[in-house]
Amino acid sequence: KNEVEQSPQNLTAQEGEFITINCSYSVGISALHWLQQHPGGGIVSLFMLSSGKKKHGRLIATINIQEKHSSLHITASHPRDSAVYICAVRPSTSGTYKYIFGTGTRLKVLA
Amino acid sequence: GAVVSQHPSWVICKSGTSVKIECRSLDFQATTMFWYRQFPKQSLMLMATSNEGSKATYEQGVEKDKFLINHASLTLSTLTVTSAHPEDSSFYICSARLAGVTDTQYFGPGTRLTVL
Repeated sequence: KNEVEQSPQNLTAQEGEFITINCSYSVGISALHWLQQHPGGGIVSLFMLSSGKKKHGRLIATINIQEKHSSLHITASHPRDSAVYICAVRPSTSGTYKYIFGTGTRLKVLA
Repeated sequence: GAVVSQHPSWVICKSGTSVKIECRSLDFQATTMFWYRQFPKQSLMLMATSNEGSKATYEQGVEKDKFLINHASLTLSTLTVTSAHPEDSSFYICSARLAGVTDTQYFGPGTRLTVL
């Protein structure tokens, strides 16, 4: 079992739909990242969370440390949101600042 | 936000040649940079941790003589794939650690290597 699990693995949505991507992890963490990777490969860091909730535009990220779970929400989805979304955690025991990555959620938003 | 660049963005080379990939933190100093490899439809796999002024720390199973890492300055780390073979074809991504209160990593755009 992976230490970081994402669901769903693949998601197709219609433009305008509200989207939720989930990330569960099994280790204690000091930080969690949500990353976006477009088809060209480049990675963009969307959020870094250690507690609570963050919002940026149409994106909202939440984390529940006790339940070891985080969600990424996209409101009013658009075809340009089509990408792979990756959850990455930094274990609290990681003295070398290493991250553990989820396998990603492939999102396709149809016009 | 902090910016990390990689050069080149893509490279095609012949089998047996060496390829150098650069990772630069453009607006901050990074004492630690990370090199990742990503195969199609798979997640990032950490190859090595690059520390400025010292030897890189390689993950288990990564050949240090095959993947040479040099972190000569606080803004530049290089990964050289020596004697490249087709199985080295992959997407290579670096990240740079910005130390401080938030202590986060910023990712480069990646370099796609194709070895013929």
